[in-house]
Amino acid sequence: LAKTTQPISMDSYEGQEVNITCSHNNIATNDYITWYQQFPSQGPRFIIQGYKTKVTNEVASLFIPADRKSSTLSLPRVSLSDTAVYYCLVGANKAAGNKLTFGGGTRVLVKP
Amino acid sequence: DGGITQSPKYLFRKEGQNVTLSCEQNLNHDAMYWYRQDPGQGLRLIYYSQIVNDFQKGDIAEGYSVSREKKESFPLTVTSAQKNPTAFYLCASSITNNEQFFGPGTRLTVL
Repeated sequence: LAKTTQPISMDSYEGQEVNITCSHNNIATNDYITWYQQFPSQGPRFIIQGYKTKVTNEVASLFIPADRKSSTLSLPRVSLSDTAVYYCLVGANKAAGNKLTFGGGTRVLVKP
Repeated sequence: DGGITQSPKYLFRKEGQNVTLSCEQNLNHDAMYWYRQDPGQGLRLIYYSQIVNDFQKGDIAEGYSVSREKKESFPLTVTSAQKNPTAFYLCASSITNNEQFFGPGTRLTVL
């Protein structure tokens, strides 16, 4: 499974855009890139998934360059409730049993 | 309501005892997973099952056992062989290569 590297923590302020970049240099051809959000003492929650270019939903955008060796999660206009740990994962293909490898994640702290 | 449930929310165990954590889903998902999370760390995969009556070891299976007799259920047994079982345990389910849905977790403490 492809290993991912992301910043340990990031601070931001309410109303700002938060961009978290994840490196995954050895991503496989059939791997998807998925981001999860986790609040303390809760299970992770799916945010967004993509394969290439740009994906946008009501919560976030995911930017994936052509070489797919990195990806950037963009959270527009964050609020205090967006304070959480964000995980970047690569894999989630059926051939690999949908296995996901969670790294340490990025702790995002949104300040007033 | 469709979802994935785990019970109990908190569990205390004496050293040397086996304990079983429950995980049930009514999402009709084929695949189910068990993860362990230690404080300040990411999730680590213990076991996963892609279909009924079949399961595979994850990255940290030693000291744990599972069964998948029904599509809806994937119980995890923490055996006395697991030397440091105190942790937050999360169950998840998924369909094909889509997102994994997580339960609320069980916090296990060994006294």
